[in-house]
Amino acid sequence: EPEVTQTPSHQVTQMGQEVILRCVPISNHLYFYWYRQILGQKVEFLVSFYNNEISEKSEIFDDQFSVERPDGSNFTLKIRSTKLEDSAMYFCASIAETQYFGPGTRLLVL
Amino acid sequence: EDQVTQSPEALRLQEGESSSLNCSYTVSGLRGLFWYRQDPGKGPEFLFTLYSAGEEKEKERLKATLTKKESFLHITAPKPEDSATYLCAVQASSSNTGKLIFGQGTTLQVKP
Repeated sequence: EPEVTQTPSHQVTQMGQEVILRCVPISNHLYFYWYRQILGQKVEFLVSFYNNEISEKSEIFDDQFSVERPDGSNFTLKIRSTKLEDSAMYFCASIAETQYFGPGTRLLVL
Repeated sequence: EDQVTQSPEALRLQEGESSSLNCSYTVSGLRGLFWYRQDPGKGPEFLFTLYSAGEEKEKERLKATLTKKESFLHITAPKPEDSATYLCAVQASSSNTGKLIFGQGTTLQVKP
């Protein structure tokens, strides 16, 4: 069964460093998403991506964040200068009739 | 503002003790309501999508129902392996990108 994959599963970084989180969505899906979940809190929408451009973004998705689909399979989330409050689980999702989520990347900013 | 509220926050059941989880929503227009299961440290796992009031869907011990203001996830004769956090999410007409708005989840513990 096709699934969304994400790498790395865990990432520890120092405050101010850049991180890139990677996702491989399900191949025939057209919409891609990033969500985050701070420990003990709701899953929050960050950004949606369609036809190689951002289609919607939340207030959380400020200038420190960017997304890219560098090739036909990968979908990346970059955080340019990480802050302590960026520590969270980051989930990638892609959609056909419903949204399928990847296993997540746990990001810890020290 | 589109909003989703789940109750209770936590639920403890004995194996075989049936119960229901509630998801109340306030949206400008509902495109779909989704139920997911989330195990600790994992991504949400899709369970059901409901689109219109009166719709019901079943999968093993789980049954999801939808009204114009809320959805219920009924768990019949639960087993310990049903222990997880159950997430409710909506797609609202205010967005045409399919983004999901999540509730905070109900953490279910089923004791043998």
